[in-house]
Amino acid sequence: DVKVTQSSRYLVKRTGEKVFLECVQDMDHENMFWYRQDPGLGLRLIYFSYDVKMKEKGDIPEGYSVSREKKERFSLILESASTNQTSMYLCASSSPTIYEQYFGPGTRLTVT
Amino acid sequence: DAKTTQPTSMDCAEGRAANLPCNHSTISGNEYVYWYRQIHSQGPQYIIHGLKNNETNEMASLIITEDRKSSTLILPHATLRDTAVYYCIVRVANQGAQKLVFGQGTRLTINP
Repeated sequence: DVKVTQSSRYLVKRTGEKVFLECVQDMDHENMFWYRQDPGLGLRLIYFSYDVKMKEKGDIPEGYSVSREKKERFSLILESASTNQTSMYLCASSSPTIYEQYFGPGTRLTVT
Repeated sequence: DAKTTQPTSMDCAEGRAANLPCNHSTISGNEYVYWYRQIHSQGPQYIIHGLKNNETNEMASLIITEDRKSSTLILPHATLRDTAVYYCIVRVANQGAQKLVFGQGTRLTINP
């Protein structure tokens, strides 16, 4: 059974803190994605990666960075967390040879 | 990607078939129809996809009209665990890393 895991389901951080969100997939997928999901705004792509050490900006990369040192792991970094980054963060992976994206359970981040 | 239109909400009795419609009148010849669902507080889950032929898997059936301007997702024997928001997406088959864009979807409630 395919699996995407995220390091935390719920996280509470203070404004200005550096935050790391980890995502691991066990399907040997080349592509990995970070989205955020907010009520009324749907899914928005933050960053994606199509190979190790490769990254591309999505629609809303400001305030975020990513790291992909190994194929199975894709990290999202909030350099200095702000209250407007309170959101549900979703990681997904896919392969160029299949059509669907597989999502992790999500991390609900609250920045106070 | 072509725009899709779905009803905002639907109800279905447990054990009955749930039929979720989707209109995509501007679909192009190389665009597939994908269905995902999102159960409350979980990541989206891929259900099924198709190009022009009807498709069936262990989760659902997908019926695409001959002109491809609309489709119906069928959950043959709905259970309470099928209560979720269902998203119909139209997009070109995977060409490298592509983001998913979810609309508002249909909130399906399965009633006991």
